[in-house]
Amino acid sequence: KNQVEQSPQSLIILEGKNCTLQCNYTVSPFSNLRWYKQDTGRGPVSLTIMTFSENTKSNGRYTATLDADTKQSSLHITASQLSDSASYICVVSLNTGGFKTIFGAGTRLFVKA
Amino acid sequence: DAGVTQSPTHLIKTRGQQVTLRCSPKSGHDTVSWYQQALGQGPQFIFQYYEEEERQRGNFPDRFSGHQFPNYSSELNVNALLLGDSALYLCASSFRGGGGIEQFFGPGTRLTVL
Repeated sequence: KNQVEQSPQSLIILEGKNCTLQCNYTVSPFSNLRWYKQDTGRGPVSLTIMTFSENTKSNGRYTATLDADTKQSSLHITASQLSDSASYICVVSLNTGGFKTIFGAGTRLFVKA
Repeated sequence: DAGVTQSPTHLIKTRGQQVTLRCSPKSGHDTVSWYQQALGQGPQFIFQYYEEEERQRGNFPDRFSGHQFPNYSSELNVNALLLGDSALYLCASSFRGGGGIEQFFGPGTRLTVL
């Protein structure tokens, strides 16, 4: 069964600290993996996109890694800011010739002053 | 470029009513996908439209239907609303020629069914 599981479900960190969010998937055949940031009540905004051959991608203070062998991805946030408080969603697309995208449930991050 | 736009922003309906949500894709995009996101959950895929036809569909009943217009904009219609249809409805657009890898999401329409 194609699934995307994220951990932790929620996380509280102090401003300025680093954190790492995890994404494990059992999706095949794999096409690409995306991380999105979603503020409450808003649409998701793309942070990174990685295909099979890429194992790391950075976007400012956000760095995503991908291990296609173990089917794991992580999103590392450096020097967190209050504005990083949001849900972070891992999305995996299948390479089936058609459209098939599996969304994780997200990790809710709270950054406190 | 206005990006993906959706209307209305918020909507309140009662059980049994029908609703129509609208989406305009990002300039240059030809594919529109609709998602339902319940509170605290990840988005669930409803269906995707390309060339004015429904190309893929998620696990949603026939009460959920859609349409794509020649200008690539799209509508999501939900009939016989249930309380469980209360959610944030997201529209995402992409360019099929680019492999549809990158989807841009709109701000969403918050539907409340009373």
